Amino acid sequence: AQSVTQLDSQVPVFEEAPVELRCNYSSSVSVYLFWYVQYPNQGLQLLLKYLSGSTLVKGINGFEAEFNKSQTSFHLRKPSVHISDTAEYFCAVSDGGSNYKLTFGKGTLLTVNP
Amino acid sequence: DTAVSQTPKYLVTQMGNDKSIKCEQNLGHDTMYWYKQDSKKFLKIMFSYNNKELIINETVPNRFSPKSPDKAHLNLHINSLELGDSAVYFCASSSWGNTIYFGEGSWLTVV
Repeated sequence: AQSVTQLDSQVPVFEEAPVELRCNYSSSVSVYLFWYVQYPNQGLQLLLKYLSGSTLVKGINGFEAEFNKSQTSFHLRKPSVHISDTAEYFCAVSDGGSNYKLTFGKGTLLTVNP
Repeated sequence: DTAVSQTPKYLVTQMGNDKSIKCEQNLGHDTMYWYKQDSKKFLKIMFSYNNKELIINETVPNRFSPKSPDKAHLNLHINSLELGDSAVYFCASSSWGNTIYFGEGSWLTVV
């Protein structure tokens, strides 16, 4: 069985500061990893994904994440955040090659303050 | 053009009623899903269909019945609604083994 742990339920930061949202996973098989963003009262939008290849993955809106197999982590980073980045961020994992089911973490609320 | 669209977006209904949420995808995907997001924002899969065949049914009460008339549609029917069914229901789709794309969600409130 797979599981995802997002270590921080809330992360407040000031505008233009860097941010890291942490995600750790457990799985007995190789995995695909994803970050989704949910803006208030909206649906889920894919930020980025790791399927294979380079462990540093770049996504939309200036976000990037690094897959670290030895630490079973997939932390999300942005060097300088904007107020518009305020949203809930979800890390998710699926079985490699059987992407018919995503297991989500509990989410991290990123609040960017002026 | 919305890739995964679901209706209605908001639904307020009384306990005991029966309601349906409809979902359509125009991405040509062969797999569709229903996820539930509870009041604490936790997301969990409910059902998955691949080529109209049910492949995942996660410990969901029998009052919830998905129906897939074709590969582009996956509807969710809920009988005898209870207060605890209040949640956001997300439809999603993917090609087998590929990224899952979500709809905008349907906010269900049972009063």
